[in-house]
Amino acid sequence: GENVEQHPSTLSVQEGDSAVIKCTYSDSASNYFPWYKQELGKGPQLIIDIRSNVGEKKDQRIAVTLNKTAKHFSLHITETQPEDSAVYFCAVRSSSNTGKLIFGQGTTLQVKP
Amino acid sequence: DTAVSQTPKYLVTQMGNDKSIKCEQNLGHDTMYWYKQDSKKFLKIMFSYNNKELIINETVPNRFSPKSPDKAHLNLHINSLELGDSAVYFCASSEYGTGTYEQYFGPGTRLTVT
Repeated sequence: GENVEQHPSTLSVQEGDSAVIKCTYSDSASNYFPWYKQELGKGPQLIIDIRSNVGEKKDQRIAVTLNKTAKHFSLHITETQPEDSAVYFCAVRSSSNTGKLIFGQGTTLQVKP
Repeated sequence: DTAVSQTPKYLVTQMGNDKSIKCEQNLGHDTMYWYKQDSKKFLKIMFSYNNKELIINETVPNRFSPKSPDKAHLNLHINSLELGDSAVYFCASSEYGTGTYEQYFGPGTRLTVT
């Protein structure tokens, strides 16, 4: 079945620096790659997503890049702020038509003021 | 105007008991999901219903039984609770088959089995 690996598991940066989180996946037929942010005590919330026909997508300070050949995608956060501190999950939509998402293991991002 | 709501938020119970978690969404979505998040934060799909029909049933003990009375509700009943069932359970919903894949998550139910 589909496997999603996410790195690093923890990431600590200074406010204003950039943060990069990377994910690799195994099913080359996967076509949808979302990123979720989970704040303490809350459910995950979609922050950005990308489809397989696009190589890069940007929304203000966050961007996602996709390399379908290498089967990896990355989340980039620029000018980090303390409120960016959270757990970030990458996910891959299964190539089946059930809508199933397979999540990475999560990255705990800490932004130090 | 909560999109996906779950009750209760916290549930503390003893081994062997039977408990239920309820989920409701007011987004008009056709598909609902149950996820389990363990102590290491790993999120794993358990079940999914589309228009009251079970479409995803992962390898989950049969002590767990989802029930969808209508497409806006998906409940999770757990029999004979075990210590290993302690986790946070998230309900989610999404559209189906329209190309819009975003899943909206509820706030979670923290289940503690003692």
